[in-house]
Order: sequence, then structure tokens, then C-alpha cells
Amino acid sequence: QSALTQPASVSGSPGQSITISCTGTSSDVGGYNYVSWYQQHPGKAPKLMIYDVTNRPSGVSNRFSGSKSGNTASLTISGLQAEDEADYYCSSYTSSTTLVVFGGGTKLTVL
Amino acid sequence: EVQLVQSGAEVKKPGESLKISCKGSGYSFTSYWIGWVRQMPGKGLEWMGIIYLGDFDTRYSPSFQGQVTISADKSISTAYLQWSSLKASDTAMYYCARGGYSYFLDYWGQGTLITVSS
Repeated sequence: QSALTQPASVSGSPGQSITISCTGTSSDVGGYNYVSWYQQHPGKAPKLMIYDVTNRPSGVSNRFSGSKSGNTASLTISGLQAEDEADYYCSSYTSSTTLVVFGGGTKLTVL
Repeated sequence: EVQLVQSGAEVKKPGESLKISCKGSGYSFTSYWIGWVRQMPGKGLEWMGIIYLGDFDTRYSPSFQGQVTISADKSISTAYLQWSSLKASDTAMYYCARGGYSYFLDYWGQGTLITVSS
């Protein structure tokens, strides 16, 4: 069982917006602004999409945005495109000695 | 250009030992962490552990503590992940990635596929 909880799957039609949630505790998501999100296409290495809750690395589309409220972080993808179909994982710094925890992943299907 | 290049795929037998590598280039190796992530076939990403290349501070996920060893050689900008006795359940893709100041993983290696089978 993953330390952070994500929905197993979400779906949306092209052009729509979707949101993926990531729920942790006050020891990780809720306690620090150190949540990151990764996109993984089949057979590929993960790609950083959001870091420190809201920041986008250079080159990542501004259709991707992040937010946080309490112990839950969210990734929103607006203007869905077919290429957004992938698995998405959240991650957070944690005050435990392991330093990092992952979510179980969410499969995004673009209908 | 920042790059992490991992060693090639391995096929091993249960009980054998193994050490895989991750060579960084294009940045100051000792100013960052290197994290290791496991992905079993058809499954999600699992955090294994991380090493800071400045002072070799190493942390492990409880699930992997005692099961693997993370190390590094600063002189050749390379991090390692090793097993002393592989099990069939170690069959997976293993990724290394560069860890930033808040431990986000901004650059990833291409992955090393480990197959353990008798």
C-alpha cells in the first residue's frame, strides 16, 4: 500500500479539464510544500511535470497546474489532449527518515 | 545537458549478486541527490532510497532497507544499486533520478531492466 493515495483512474474528453488528487498526512503533503507530479507513458521513464506543489519545469505545458489544500494535493490538466493519456504519480517529501513517498499512480484515459 | 545513463539490462539467477550503475553528466554531481525507484511489471513507481553525493548521506524506504545497498563514487560521478542475493521478486525496471533541493526528481535515467529467473 502506497503512502499517498491517488484514484486508480480518471478520464476526460479532448478539450476538457481533469483533476487528479493525492492525499497524504500532515507528515508529508500537509506539512510541506514539496509535492511533485510525474507523467509516465508506457515503456518510458517518468517525467517531472510539477514540483514544489505549483511550479512547472521549463518545457512543461502551462495546461498542467498543481495546487494543495490541507493534506491533499491536486494536479489539473486543462484542454486535454490525446498525448496526455498516461500514468501520473504524485510524490512528497516526508518527515520520516525515508525522505520521499510516492502515490500509487493514476491512469488517465483521454476518451 | 544533464544526463543520467544507466547500465544495461541483466538476467540473473536467484541467489546471485548484482550491482547496477547510474552515471551523471552535465551538472555538479556532488550538489544533488540520486534516488532509485523500482517499477515491477505492470505496477506503479516505488521509492527505494536516495544518496546525497556531497557527503554520501543515504536513506532507504523501510520496504527496501536491508534488501539493497545504495552507494556512489564521486570520482566518476556514478551511483550504484546493489543486491547481495537476488530473488525472483526483484524482477523489475529500476530507475535512477536526480533529486533536487526538495527531493523532486527532475532528470531520470533510461531505466535498467533486471530479470531474475532460474
